[in-house]
Amino acid sequence: QKEVEQNSGPLSVPEGAIASLNCTYSDRGSQSFFWYRQYSGKSPELIMSIYSNGDKEDGRFTAQLNKASQYVSLLIRDSQPSDSATYLCAVNRGFQKLVFGTGTRLLVSP
Amino acid sequence: DGGITQSPKYLFRKEGQNVTLSCEQNLNHDAMYWYRQDPGQGLRLIYYSQIVNDFQKGDIAEGYSVSREKKESFPLTVTSAQKNPTAFYLCASSGRDRQNSPLHFGNGTRLTVT
Repeated sequence: QKEVEQNSGPLSVPEGAIASLNCTYSDRGSQSFFWYRQYSGKSPELIMSIYSNGDKEDGRFTAQLNKASQYVSLLIRDSQPSDSATYLCAVNRGFQKLVFGTGTRLLVSP
Repeated sequence: DGGITQSPKYLFRKEGQNVTLSCEQNLNHDAMYWYRQDPGQGLRLIYYSQIVNDFQKGDIAEGYSVSREKKESFPLTVTSAQKNPTAFYLCASSGRDRQNSPLHFGNGTRLTVT
């Protein structure tokens, strides 16, 4: 079992729809969670961080964390073609140990 | 503007040659990291450094070496012992709260070894 698992996709949604990206992790001791967006050929860019159970909203993005079920999700409302990218889930399972999933590719069609 | 600068953007080398990738940050971050990204495998940690003159191996350190002589700089050397060095290399840094601080990435160096 991988430490951080994501569906590789692609996840295809029409413009204006809600995109839902999911991530599960194996270490119950994990304490902080991050979502990065990576365009093809570019470096990852932080879009959300979440540290406690529940929802955290920032503009069109909402991160959801459920530590009991060991999953974290990212919702993108009003999806735009410019949101088409690979979304990486990262989990900090201890000091200096940030583990990345392999990413979910999102395609938003006009 | 504060940030992380990696150079060069593209690097080509012949097999058997050592090569050094540069990483400089002006964010005043204590911790710096090197990751490698291969298609379908996500990011894997090579080395990290919490303070000057100190660094630790990550998950895939074999065939790599680093130094941390200055807070701002964390160069990575890919040695001839690295069996499959062609990859996208990413340098990152994080702030004082290392448990919860996110990583900030440079623009990456794409290394091709033939």
